Amino acid sequence: EPEVTQTPSHQVTQMGQEVILRCVPISNHLYFYWYRQILGQKVEFLVSFYNNEISEKSEIFDDQFSVERPDGSNFTLKIRSTKLEDSAMYFCASSPSRTGNYGYTFGSGTRLTVV
Amino acid sequence: DQQVKQNSPSLSVQEGRISILNCDYTNSMFDYFLWYKKYPAEGPTFLISISSIKDKNEDGRFTVFLNKSAKHLSLHIVPSQPGDSAVYFCAASHNAGNMLTFGGGTRLMVKP
Repeated sequence: EPEVTQTPSHQVTQMGQEVILRCVPISNHLYFYWYRQILGQKVEFLVSFYNNEISEKSEIFDDQFSVERPDGSNFTLKIRSTKLEDSAMYFCASSPSRTGNYGYTFGSGTRLTVV
Repeated sequence: DQQVKQNSPSLSVQEGRISILNCDYTNSMFDYFLWYKKYPAEGPTFLISISSIKDKNEDGRFTVFLNKSAKHLSLHIVPSQPGDSAVYFCAASHNAGNMLTFGGGTRLMVKP
């Protein structure tokens, strides 16, 4: 079964450093997403991406965050200057169409720890 | 932000019995509702969804019921199996949009 692949599975970074989280969505999917889950809290929407541009973003997705699809397969989330509160599990997802009845396929996540 | 709420943090059920997981929402603009299952160290896995124009959708052992007037949905798993033990999230979107709003999850434990 097709998978969404995320690397690395765990990233530790110093506060103030830049991090890039990488994702390879399912190849024929058109919509791409990032979500995060802070320990003990809800899964929260960050951003959706379609046709090489952001289609929706949440209040969490401020100027410190950016997304990119640098080639035909990768989808990345960059945090420019990490803060302690950015520590969370970050999930990438993709879908063939807008949500509707199809749901998303999520990756296994990258655990980001900011120290 | 409590637009989607799962009031039971955990549920324990005997194998073979029915599991009922509940979810309430406040935003009347939501028109698609989805259930995800999550195992530790994995991402959420899509289970089943329902459009707001329906009140029931069934897929094998999983049935989702939607009560729009009460802004309530539930997931029924019959019969429950030990492999169903996981955290279950309900989620909602509006205008079949891209953004999902998740509930806090319910941990289901199915005892053999």
